[in-house]
Amino acid sequence: GIQVEQSPPDLILQEGANSTLRCNFSDSVNNLQWFHQNPWGQLINLFYIPSGTKQNGRLSATTVATERYSLLYISSSQTTDSGVYFCAVEPMYSGGGADGLTFGKGTHLIIQP
Amino acid sequence: DSGVTQTPKHLITATGQRVTLRCSPRSGDLSVYWYQQSLDQGLQFLIQYYNGEERAKGNILERFSAQQFPDLHSELNLSSLELGDSALYFCASSVWAGPTNYGYTFGSGTRLTVV
Repeated sequence: GIQVEQSPPDLILQEGANSTLRCNFSDSVNNLQWFHQNPWGQLINLFYIPSGTKQNGRLSATTVATERYSLLYISSSQTTDSGVYFCAVEPMYSGGGADGLTFGKGTHLIIQP
Repeated sequence: DSGVTQTPKHLITATGQRVTLRCSPRSGDLSVYWYQQSLDQGLQFLIQYYNGEERAKGNILERFSAQQFPDLHSELNLSSLELGDSALYFCASSVWAGPTNYGYTFGSGTRLTVV
């Protein structure tokens, strides 16, 4: 099946810093999403971004589908940004949802005050 | 609020027991997806139902089963529970705008602890 690799696995930053999280995937995708899992375990959908660039406040994401990677940018980090960031993909051959999402192992981000 | 409702939020049970987790998808969504998040396996897809029919299976154990009812809510049944089944179980629903799919949204999960 499709492989999803995220880097770095862990990241500790001071409040106000910027960060870039990377997601590499091994095959063409129909769907790519970035999620934030907060300390209470909730999975929050940040971006649906199978290709192109999107921005939402201090967060932005870019997916270069032809090169099979996606980047999540977090600017001016706040302590509430702490948690685990997951990239998840749906392979193109699945026909739209039949195989579910394949998740990476995540990037554990800690923002210190 | 994702619109996907899961109950209960927490469940503690003993080994060998059986439990049922419940999910109501977003209003109008015909698909329901179940995922398991454990410390050693990470987040993995278990099973998908579409309009009452099983559509795809992932890494779901034979001791686990699911179904989707006519009102579109779904139940995940876990039996002969083992310590290793302790995990966070998520339900997800598709996000559609007309004919276009915009990915998946997740419920808040059920945290199962097997003791």
